[in-house]
Amino acid sequence: GENVEQHPSTLSVQEGDSAVIKCTYSDSASNYFPWYKQELGKGPQLIIDIRSNVGEKKDQRIAVTLNKTAKHFSLHITETQPEDSAVYFCAASTTGGGADGLTFGKGTHLIIQP
Amino acid sequence: ETGVTQSPTHLIKTRGQQVTLRCSSQSGHNTVSWYQQALGQGPQFIFQYYREEENGRGNFPPRFSGLQFPNYSSELNVNALELDDSALYLCASRPQGADGYTFGSGTRLTVV
Repeated sequence: GENVEQHPSTLSVQEGDSAVIKCTYSDSASNYFPWYKQELGKGPQLIIDIRSNVGEKKDQRIAVTLNKTAKHFSLHITETQPEDSAVYFCAASTTGGGADGLTFGKGTHLIIQP
Repeated sequence: ETGVTQSPTHLIKTRGQQVTLRCSSQSGHNTVSWYQQALGQGPQFIFQYYREEENGRGNFPPRFSGLQFPNYSSELNVNALELDDSALYLCASRPQGADGYTFGSGTRLTVV
């Protein structure tokens, strides 16, 4: 089955700086890669996703890049703000999270220092 | 507002008991998945239902079972509870043709 590794487990950045979280996956059949943000006491919230036929996707301060050959994808957050502090999860799946569901990484605790 | 509502929010059960967790999805969300999230870990896929039929299952034993109803609600049932079943249980749903899942806030289950 799929295996997703996520790094780092904790990331502390100064407010206004950029943050980058990296993930690798093992199953070359995976074709859908979402990123979720989870705040304390809440469920994961989808913030951006990318399909394998696209190399990069951007939404305001958030971007995701995908390297299919190397089987890794990254989340980039620019101009970080205090409200970006949360746990971020990457995930991978085939057929957009169908019969095998989403395989999640272990999460990155992002801390924005004022 | 997430659009996916789970109940109860917290639950304490004794080892060996059975539990039913409930989820109410948005209208039109005919795919629902359940995940188990242990403390400090990412969610793990339990199973998925599409139009009231199970169409995918993760590495969980048969004592984890589910139901999906025509009104876009669903249930997760766990029999013979074990201490290791203590976790946050998340329901996620999506409409047909969409990629992204909307997650509920979860039910925190504690088995003592």
